[in-house]
Amino acid sequence: GEDVEQSLFLSVREGDSSVINCTYTDSSSTYLYWYKQEPGAGLQLLTYIFSNMDMKQDQRLTVLLNKKDKHLSLRIADTQTGDSAIYFCAETSLQNAGKSTFGDGTTLTVKP
Amino acid sequence: DADVTQTPRNRITKTGKRIMLECSQTKGHDRMYWYRQDPGLGLRLIYYSFDVKDINKGEISDGYSVSRQAQAKFSLSLESAIPNQTALYFCATSDPLAGANNEQFFGPGTRLTVL
Repeated sequence: GEDVEQSLFLSVREGDSSVINCTYTDSSSTYLYWYKQEPGAGLQLLTYIFSNMDMKQDQRLTVLLNKKDKHLSLRIADTQTGDSAIYFCAETSLQNAGKSTFGDGTTLTVKP
Repeated sequence: DADVTQTPRNRITKTGKRIMLECSQTKGHDRMYWYRQDPGLGLRLIYYSFDVKDINKGEISDGYSVSRQAQAKFSLSLESAIPNQTALYFCATSDPLAGANNEQFFGPGTRLTVL
């Protein structure tokens, strides 16, 4: 089946930039997503990118997609303590019958 | 009010007991999903339903069953709970026609402990 991989942990200082990376195997992916999970809560969509785009920027968030290498990244500028959470990379494709495949999640810890 | 609700939020049970986790949604979405989350293993799909008459197994359906009682309700059952089913369970919905990106909307989760 299709696979999505990401590193499990990232620790940064408040005010620094955070970069969370993800790789995926499905070459027919149509949408790629970043979901955020805060403690005690469900996942919530943070941002997404369509597969024909290379970059998407939304305030402090920048998503980069390298379709050739099947690599997705999320950059958070000026990281704040409130950004501490688990970040999940996910993808959807027609091959996947419209379901989403999720990575294992990256726990971001922001130190003051 | 939350669009996707799950009951109960927490449950402790014993090995061998039958457990039902319930999910309700007010988003009017046809597609509903059940996932379990384990530390270091991310989200794994248990079952999914694309409409009321459609039920499909996910990657880890053994030991689980589901019922789609209505568009708004999707229940997950553990017929005979075992300790390795201790996990955080999430229900989610989506509607590929409602938005451009097939985003999934998650409930708050049910923490299940099987002793």
